[in-house]
Amino acid sequence: SQQGEEDPQALSIQEGENATMNCSYKTSINNLQWYRQNSGRGLVHLILIRSNEREKHSGRLRVTLDTSKKSSSLLITASRAADTASYFCATDLYGNNRLAFGKGNQVVVIP
Amino acid sequence: ETGVTQSPTHLIKTRGQQVTLRCSSQSGHNTVSWYQQALGQGPQFIFQYYREEENGRGNFPPRFSGLQFPNYSSELNVNALELDDSALYLCASSPPPGPSSYEQYFGPGTRLTVT
Repeated sequence: SQQGEEDPQALSIQEGENATMNCSYKTSINNLQWYRQNSGRGLVHLILIRSNEREKHSGRLRVTLDTSKKSSSLLITASRAADTASYFCATDLYGNNRLAFGKGNQVVVIP
Repeated sequence: ETGVTQSPTHLIKTRGQQVTLRCSSQSGHNTVSWYQQALGQGPQFIFQYYREEENGRGNFPPRFSGLQFPNYSSELNVNALELDDSALYLCASSPPPGPSSYEQYFGPGTRLTVT
């Protein structure tokens, strides 16, 4: 069953703006990961946050995790046209890479 | 070091037929997972193979089966195809247990259309 559940959104922003998307899940997790997918092709791993972490940064990405609310957010700062993609959160219940993905957020960055 | 590759890229089959999709994992990765992604949806976990053994299965019927070979490449077989099997099938490999074992590397996918 799907664990990760984003607010299924389509975001359209101007280049340079920040993009925020959210994800909620239903059960306890080992870790939560965010992936990017361009044009219905393969997914690219962006960032992983473990259940005992609250915030993590990687370049222009900032991920937060609130295990009490079973939710996570992904912030992309200073967006670029190349950030146009679908973004998925995925939960790993047991740390064994059997991921449950949400439905995704489509982000369009207008140059 | 080559990435994860999948073949074929696209495939059209008729309802009731059988299909085999192939995946070559990234060098050094001994775990392969398969996912089905319907249009507009997130990927759904089908099953995982670790060192040639099935190591977990999602909510898919037995007509979805797989294999992993000694070189860690993998096949996904689907029998008695149904229209709802039309989807992008993604293969992902991950390294042996260790600090980086949580990162999965996805292939570009095989787009299956069942008519």
